[in-house]
Amino acid sequence: DAGVTQSPTHLIKTRGQQVTLRCSPKSGHDTVSWYQQALGQGPQFIFQYYEEEERQRGNFPDRFSGHQFPNYSSELNVNALLLGDSALYLCASSDGQGGKEKLFFGSGTQLSVL
Amino acid sequence: KQEVTQIPAALSVPEGENLVLNCSFTDSAIYNLQWFRQDPGKGLTSLLLIQSSQREQTSGRLNASLDKSSGRSTLYIAASQPGDSATYLCAVKNSSYKLIFGSGTRLLVRP
Repeated sequence: DAGVTQSPTHLIKTRGQQVTLRCSPKSGHDTVSWYQQALGQGPQFIFQYYEEEERQRGNFPDRFSGHQFPNYSSELNVNALLLGDSALYLCASSDGQGGKEKLFFGSGTQLSVL
Repeated sequence: KQEVTQIPAALSVPEGENLVLNCSFTDSAIYNLQWFRQDPGKGLTSLLLIQSSQREQTSGRLNASLDKSSGRSTLYIAASQPGDSATYLCAVKNSSYKLIFGSGTRLLVRP
């Protein structure tokens, strides 16, 4: 049973560019959440997708957008990259939105903005 | 606004010691609390999940407790090993269904 998979594992971009990160949820999961983890900090919630719609959003600017596909996979897009966007981006999946479900995380995409 | 604090920020112990990691949160209205392990530059591995109605969970050498009324959780690691060296993160799921993380405790177990 494949867990949460993310691609690419590492990415280097320059300021002003745009980036797309991808996530495939654990088999049987329909909800995908994205988190940003700066060095030495805990992950920060970006947004959550369920039934192909953004259901919740954290305190991130509109430069951060996403999408969920009918097969439940998801993309995170970041436009007009800033140096401060350098971080580990984590995808998490769960079965439903009841509130009590366990989240499973992928290995992350390390984004470096130069 | 929910805030999660983990103490200590870093811990170094000799192999074989039993140790306790602490996590505190400001809003007791949570659905559950989850402890994770993170190796450098890697993703998160879930260790234990405690639902709000539960007091503790155990897995192998790990035991996590939850006291909602005081806003505290502890992760107890018995007979620590060098392979336990990692960052341990505590996260609470609040009424908005998102996880709110602490900054973690970096653990080093010396051989």
